[in-house]
Amino acid sequence: DQQVKQNSPSLSVQEGRISILNCDYTNSMFDYFLWYKKYPAEGPTFLISISSIKDKNEDGRFTVFLNKSAKHLSLHIVPSQPGDSAVYFCAASLKTSYDKVIFGPGTSLSVIP
Amino acid sequence: DSGVTQTPKHLITATGQRVTLRCSPRSGDLSVYWYQQSLDQGLQFLIQYYNGEERAKGNILERFSAQQFPDLHSELNLSSLELGDSALYFCASSVGGTYTGELFFGEGSRLTVL
Repeated sequence: DQQVKQNSPSLSVQEGRISILNCDYTNSMFDYFLWYKKYPAEGPTFLISISSIKDKNEDGRFTVFLNKSAKHLSLHIVPSQPGDSAVYFCAASLKTSYDKVIFGPGTSLSVIP
Repeated sequence: DSGVTQTPKHLITATGQRVTLRCSPRSGDLSVYWYQQSLDQGLQFLIQYYNGEERAKGNILERFSAQQFPDLHSELNLSSLELGDSALYFCASSVGGTYTGELFFGEGSRLTVL
């Protein structure tokens, strides 16, 4: 069962515009949601997270929005830069199973100069 | 550099063989996690150890096993290898349990089974 879904395998955006990456989840008990970024030949790196009790978290150019009723979160990157081109994984974790972090399949973002 | 070290970076072997992947966590981290990333797949959680003890298990095949040693490094053993086991295997670490989900990943070990 795929508890964390990213339905867009890829996304292309012009430099300077907004990138919006989407993620859906099925388990309403998740406590934290995260975004990881992965460049080729590197491991994923943590980007930003949000607690399930919040609906927005911002860090510089990156903002994550959480809509619990829709079981949906999104990552906004404004403005997009070529260096943002990477695979973005949405992930979720549970306090009751706090050693398990579940990842989505990833979305490959290309920012075109 | 995340501070997590994985060896080997690349490994090519034949079906039916056995391999061992090694992971050294960040200094001070007690938890080690193993993930598998197959082609076009997300990161599938395999198993997690905390301070030498198995803590959580995911979709890990019976042909796979892992352990964490007293010096906190971990090994993932893959046996009776099949073509479908070809994948990137990532190790990650965290200080303790990580319900916030923040993990530090190594660069991965790419396994090719021919």
